[in-house]
Amino acid sequence: AQKVTQAQTEISVVEKEDVTLDCVYETRDTTYYLFWYKQPPSGELVFLIRRNSFDEQNEISGRYSWNFQKSTSSFNFTITASQVVDSAVYFCALSEESGANSKLTFGKGITLSVRP
Amino acid sequence: NAGVMQNPRHLVRRRGQEARLRCSPMKGHSHVYWYRQLPEEGLKFMVYLQKENIIDESGMPKERFSAEFPKEGPSILRIQQVVRGDSAAYFCASSPYLGDTQYFGPGTRLTVL
Repeated sequence: AQKVTQAQTEISVVEKEDVTLDCVYETRDTTYYLFWYKQPPSGELVFLIRRNSFDEQNEISGRYSWNFQKSTSSFNFTITASQVVDSAVYFCALSEESGANSKLTFGKGITLSVRP
Repeated sequence: NAGVMQNPRHLVRRRGQEARLRCSPMKGHSHVYWYRQLPEEGLKFMVYLQKENIIDESGMPKERFSAEFPKEGPSILRIQQVVRGDSAAYFCASSPYLGDTQYFGPGTRLTVL
């Protein structure tokens, strides 16, 4: 069975600090996909990134970067120079390719508060 | 290209009433997923549908809950005889292909009085 663990529940930083959100996953599949979603206070779920299991290259998008390490089953997310607008709940998720359903299994989420 | 649409955004029902939640996927997306977000439990998969077919409903409670995705019109999640424990945010997501990125709607917040 697939499982996603986000051990950090709440993180509070001051604006302009860098912050890393951890994600550890478990799966028996060799082909799978990892995701990060953001849920701001308004409540919607915003897609941030999708990464397949064969692509271990780190990715950078503006102030956001992701570090995928299969050896440690981790897919960590770093926000550089955090801003107040980054305050949200961040979810890591996993889907497996096998079977007829690519449902997402979510971690419990990390609440990030960025203080001015 | 409009995003995933859900309505209503907020729904209040009294115990024993029925709740109907609607989801219109993004244009060109034929795969629809429903998830429920309960306080303290996070987001949990409920059901996966393609047009006119339920593919996987392993996450749906066995009673009172049903889902459909007809050939024409939105996907519907139906909860009969609601109880207080059904109060939650219900999210719909859609994707163009199996395994592709799922894009979420804004959610329906159901409150059962």
